[in-house]
Amino acid sequence: DADVTQTPRNRITKTGKRIMLECSQTKGHDRMYWYRQDPGLGLRLIYYSFDVKDINKGEISDGYSVSRQAQAKFSLSLESAIPNQTALYFCATSDRSTSGGGDTQYFGPGTRLTVL
Amino acid sequence: AQSVTQLDSQVPVFEEAPVELRCNYSSSVSVYLFWYVQYPNQGLQLLLKYLSGSTLVKSINGFEAEFNKSQTSFHLRKPSVHISDTAEYFCAAFPYGGSQGNLIFGKGTKLSVKP
Repeated sequence: DADVTQTPRNRITKTGKRIMLECSQTKGHDRMYWYRQDPGLGLRLIYYSFDVKDINKGEISDGYSVSRQAQAKFSLSLESAIPNQTALYFCATSDRSTSGGGDTQYFGPGTRLTVL
Repeated sequence: AQSVTQLDSQVPVFEEAPVELRCNYSSSVSVYLFWYVQYPNQGLQLLLKYLSGSTLVKSINGFEAEFNKSQTSFHLRKPSVHISDTAEYFCAAFPYGGSQGNLIFGKGTKLSVKP
């Protein structure tokens, strides 16, 4: 079984709809991240969480919100989806106890979101 | 502000040819450096990383990268590529020593290996 899972894997929605993307991990890591990937722009950080009570905005948090329901679960919500939020979304995890190892991050398979 | 620059957005090469994917970083503090690979329709996987010690680091599938502090570079090389190396490669830097930082990604280089 995959260590980092994302649901759904693909989603098509309409402008104005509320969407939730979910991420679960079995790695036991304390840190979790949400990124979006756009062609030619690489990965940009949306939100990150260092533990259940510690949530921080990333580079492009406007229009998004997150919830860390448990150490293993981190969900991303688009309150009112718009077409320029069409992208590939990745969840990632890392382990503070090995952060001396440079915060190696482990990625889920991604969710392809299309907003019409 | 920290940044990572990948100088080539696309690199086409023939099978069994050597390849170099270039990466430069800018940071006011020390950094750890990473290369991630994304195969078609998949998530990112760690390819190799430099934390300390020997400046030459290697992956299990024949890639290597050398940390050059004076040139602030971390170029990725492979002496002979295979069709299966076709993927997008991301260089990333993790600044440490100051306030808590996050992984900073370059924009990616698409490696296309042709028969």
